[in-house]
Amino acid sequence: DGGITQSPKYLFRKEGQNVTLSCEQNLNHDAMYWYRQDPGQGLRLIYYSQIVNDFQKGDIAEGYSVSREKKESFPLTVTSAQKNPTAFYLCASSPGTEYQPQHFGDGTRLSIL
Amino acid sequence: RKEVEQDPGPFNVPEGATVAFNCTYSNSASQSFFWYRQDCRKEPKLLMSVYSSGNEDGRFTAQLNRASQYISLLIRDSKLSDSATYLCVVNMRNGNQFYFGTGTSLTVIP
Repeated sequence: DGGITQSPKYLFRKEGQNVTLSCEQNLNHDAMYWYRQDPGQGLRLIYYSQIVNDFQKGDIAEGYSVSREKKESFPLTVTSAQKNPTAFYLCASSPGTEYQPQHFGDGTRLSIL
Repeated sequence: RKEVEQDPGPFNVPEGATVAFNCTYSNSASQSFFWYRQDCRKEPKLLMSVYSSGNEDGRFTAQLNRASQYISLLIRDSKLSDSATYLCVVNMRNGNQFYFGTGTSLTVIP
């Protein structure tokens, strides 16, 4: 089955620690995205990538980093500079062309220990 | 001004009722439009795309009004399983950025 796989489902971070969230897709989509969702809030864009080896900051990129070395993979690192990382992180992908919607992975819940 | 705005609700309706949600967008260059459904603590899932002529999928009808820059979602004969948050999503002409509303919460009551 084609889809987007995020791992882990739950993640706990200690103070001062960097953690990396995995996102893999086998939909052959060009564009990939990372969003953050806080309780009762909408989705906020962290980073997006339209093509391999290229990515752009979203609205709340500070304290996060990404890479796009392969078309299928778009990992997100939550660095120690992100002081309030507790949230639901969603990865999405889309073909990158008009009229095509995004598809989401089932998310990673990150909490501070 | 936010790119996409929705009434957050909550909407509490009895089973069998008809309920409608509206969503306004600010950028006239917006090209494509979608409704997603998000259940509690789950990822958003595509409910339907919204086409210029309007479109229907079973009990769900989506409409687009470009002149007034809003889209709507109508749910007929509400079921308990329709209880969720409904997200309005707008995509710009270049196809690369999606803008999400904060969602409208619906609870269908027995």
